[in-house]
Amino acid sequence: NAGVTQTPKFQVLKTGQSMTLQCAQDMNHEYMSWYRQDPGMGLRLIHYSVGAGITDQGEVPNGYNVSRSTTEDFPLRLLSAAPSQTSVYFCATGLGEKNIQYFGAGTRLSVL
Amino acid sequence: GESVGLHLPTLSVQEGDNSIINCAYSNSASDYFIWYKQESGKGPQFIIDIRSNMDKRQGQRVTVLLNKTVKHLSLQIAATQPGDSAVYFCATDTGNQFYFGTGTSLTVIP
Repeated sequence: NAGVTQTPKFQVLKTGQSMTLQCAQDMNHEYMSWYRQDPGMGLRLIHYSVGAGITDQGEVPNGYNVSRSTTEDFPLRLLSAAPSQTSVYFCATGLGEKNIQYFGAGTRLSVL
Repeated sequence: GESVGLHLPTLSVQEGDNSIINCAYSNSASDYFIWYKQESGKGPQFIIDIRSNMDKRQGQRVTVLLNKTVKHLSLQIAATQPGDSAVYFCATDTGNQFYFGTGTSLTVIP
């Protein structure tokens, strides 16, 4: 049982490059979300989805796009990377509102 | 919105002692709370949760206390062990969005 799988684990980008962070879950959870974690700032919600075809913005959505075409996958896209997007990104899934969220191992992204 | 803050960024305890980590939240409408543990290089791991219709909930060696009057919750770890060394986060759910505190780094001294 893989749970929540994030790829890649590490990535270095140059300013202006684009990339997609992948998140896949095998728990049949409807709710999926993306967070970024910066030193001293805790986790901040970027985007979330309450089910396939539905996405919404979180606390810090600027510079990121998401889509949810299947229950299993919730990719996060950086269209034009900026140094301010250097961070650790976590994907989480859960049964829905007011339920436990389960986190992936994270993607460590550096933008030069 | 919501703001969540932990009272101490770091905490050191002797092995075998009890640990208490405190958290404050701002939104009185928050009605679901979770504590997470994060070890270095890993994702947050669920410890225990509590809903606003409860004041206390116990798990294995952990207890969460919720005081809605002053918007405060705490995590108590009994007989702290070296494996408990990690960063601990509290989080609240406000309408489909979770807000996390900045974390308390717990160090267990052998």
